[in-house]
Amino acid sequence: SQTIHQWPATLVQPVGSPLSLECTVEGTSNPNLYWYRQAAGRGLQLLFYSVGIGQISSEVPQNLSASRPQDRQFILSSKKLLLSDSGFYLCAWDDEGASYNEQFFGPGTRLTVL
Amino acid sequence: ELKVEQNPLFLSMQEGKNYTIYCNYSTTSDRLYWYRQDPGKSLESLFVLLSNGAVKQEGRLMASLDTKARLSTLHITAAVHDLSATYFCAVDIGPGGSNYKLTFGKGTLLTVNP
Repeated sequence: SQTIHQWPATLVQPVGSPLSLECTVEGTSNPNLYWYRQAAGRGLQLLFYSVGIGQISSEVPQNLSASRPQDRQFILSSKKLLLSDSGFYLCAWDDEGASYNEQFFGPGTRLTVL
Repeated sequence: ELKVEQNPLFLSMQEGKNYTIYCNYSTTSDRLYWYRQDPGKSLESLFVLLSNGAVKQEGRLMASLDTKARLSTLHITAAVHDLSATYFCAVDIGPGGSNYKLTFGKGTLLTVNP
């Protein structure tokens, strides 16, 4: 069966510090991968998605970036965090070969920028 | 641009009562997904609806899809406290082209009171 991991689970960082969040998927090959952000009490905002190694599409211009160095690894980064980057970051995957796009979410990383 | 609207956004119910959450979307699609999010947790897939007239049921929740009306409903029967959560619907317009994305509604925060 497939599982998706995210770490760290919780992170508190000062403004201006760098960020690296990691997401890995097990039990599947060539998944589509997604990064979402959820601000407190708000809906989901799609940040990035990837259909393959090295292929990243950005949805919202911002000071974040994403990379996919391996098939089942997706990384979210920032060089300098802003207060507005605080939120709940969710990684998700779906099956590239499926006929529909049900996404499965990781446990999330809660980021607080102070 | 695909728009997905849920209503109500906030719903306070008494235990034992019935209610319906509505999900309207703006572009032709026959793929709709319902997710549940418990406070502080990630999203869990509840239902996948893939055709006009599709109906899925799990316990006290029943979801349906009317693609002609571009409407999905999530019906809650005899609500219990354990159903308290935020419910999201999401729509995709299928594989192919450049769109691998789900478009999410803003979510309905359901609180079931004793």
